[in-house]
Amino acid sequence: QVQLVESGGRVVQPGGSLRLSCAVSGFSVSSFGMHWVRQAPGKGLEWVACLRFDERIQHYVDSVQGRFTVSRDNYNNILYLQMDSLRVEDTAIYYCVKGPSGGYFDYWGQGTLVTVSS
Amino acid sequence: DIVMTQTPLSSPVTLGQPASISCRSSQSLARSDGNTYLSWLHQRPGQPPRLLIYKTSDRFSGVPDRFSGSGAGTDFTLTISRVEAEDVGVYYCMQGAQFPFTFGQGTKVEIK
Repeated sequence: QVQLVESGGRVVQPGGSLRLSCAVSGFSVSSFGMHWVRQAPGKGLEWVACLRFDERIQHYVDSVQGRFTVSRDNYNNILYLQMDSLRVEDTAIYYCVKGPSGGYFDYWGQGTLVTVSS
Repeated sequence: DIVMTQTPLSSPVTLGQPASISCRSSQSLARSDGNTYLSWLHQRPGQPPRLLIYKTSDRFSGVPDRFSGSGAGTDFTLTISRVEAEDVGVYYCMQGAQFPFTFGQGTKVEIK
């Protein structure tokens, strides 16, 4: 059974850092592209970052490029999102998402809320 | 970036009646592998989105057959043949043909 469980969201001040984790079961994170998607309160969905299965290629939305880094721990089957230089506009629920090779998302976690506020 | 535009943004529907949502992309979503990477997701309040349709018209595992997807190039449609009460929520189209992946604004479906 596929499960993705995010953790690490909390209230953080602007300019601060946070690391989100996504514990995966039911498949190997090293075998599929893995993504982070966020949703600001009451708003739509925004794709944030992707780590390709071969780990050599990462993609980021322009607004987080240079501030966020996606990585994974193959042994423990965990996906991470390191978030630095956080801004108020980064406030959102962050979802960990499994992406088969074909440009779509088949399994989503429940999400973790990140609030950037002074 | 590819811009995804959904219409309508709100859709009051009658139980048992059909409903459809349109999605238009600013560029073709067809890729050289022969697939067109347009998917549809459904989000109920307080829940994460769930996949309904991928690669334009393939229904994901467990999705009722009253949901269908169609289209090509830049114009796509999600159709619900007979709306049921559990179908309320927000529907999003998403393109996975080119990074950054992008979503439509969402269409809120509610029962009349």
